[in-house]
Amino acid sequence: NAGVTQTPKFQVLKTGQSMTLQCAQDMNHEYMSWYRQDPGMGLRLIHYSVGAGITDQGEVPNGYNVSRSTTEDFPLRLLSAAPSQTSVYFCASSPRTGAASGANVLTFGAGSRLTVL
Amino acid sequence: QQPVQSPQAVILREGEDAVINCSSSKALYSVHWYRQKHGEAPVFLMILLKGGEQKGHDKISASFNEKKQQSSLYLTASQLSYSGTYFCGTERGNTDKLIFGTGTRLQVFP
Repeated sequence: NAGVTQTPKFQVLKTGQSMTLQCAQDMNHEYMSWYRQDPGMGLRLIHYSVGAGITDQGEVPNGYNVSRSTTEDFPLRLLSAAPSQTSVYFCASSPRTGAASGANVLTFGAGSRLTVL
Repeated sequence: QQPVQSPQAVILREGEDAVINCSSSKALYSVHWYRQKHGEAPVFLMILLKGGEQKGHDKISASFNEKKQQSSLYLTASQLSYSGTYFCGTERGNTDKLIFGTGTRLQVFP
């Protein structure tokens, strides 16, 4: 059971280039999300999805696009990378059947470190 | 809106105790606590679902004061393995998104 798989682990881009960070989970989780982690800023929510075909913005969505065509996959797209997007990105998923059932616990991927020059 | 964590950093000797606080300006439904080791992904510690609830996990426990919109994480008799960055995450509803705080870095020395 792989859990949450993120690729690539490391990526260097030039300003203006585009790329997609991949995230896949094999736990049949309905909820998937992307966070970015920067020193002193904690984990900030970029986008999230409560099921296939449904996505919504988080705290810092500008410069990023997402789609959710299947339950398993939730890719994050950078259309025109900027140095401010240099960060570590985490994908996380949960069953999301309700906090009352204790089922909203997030399982994180290993992270993707992105550097934009 | 991100919950606020305090302190930003804590340095302890093995066996000492620490308290990490998390507060929000919004009404909360639940509070999560996660720990992240250097270079690794965050790992779930515990979730608190209602006001006044207190939970424990080995020598780590937490409380949630729903009226004050605050949660505290208590680490007693700290061990070297407790070192890492602790994050609280808050939900405003039963199926709401999880918003994390800015983190508290904890270092435990022999």
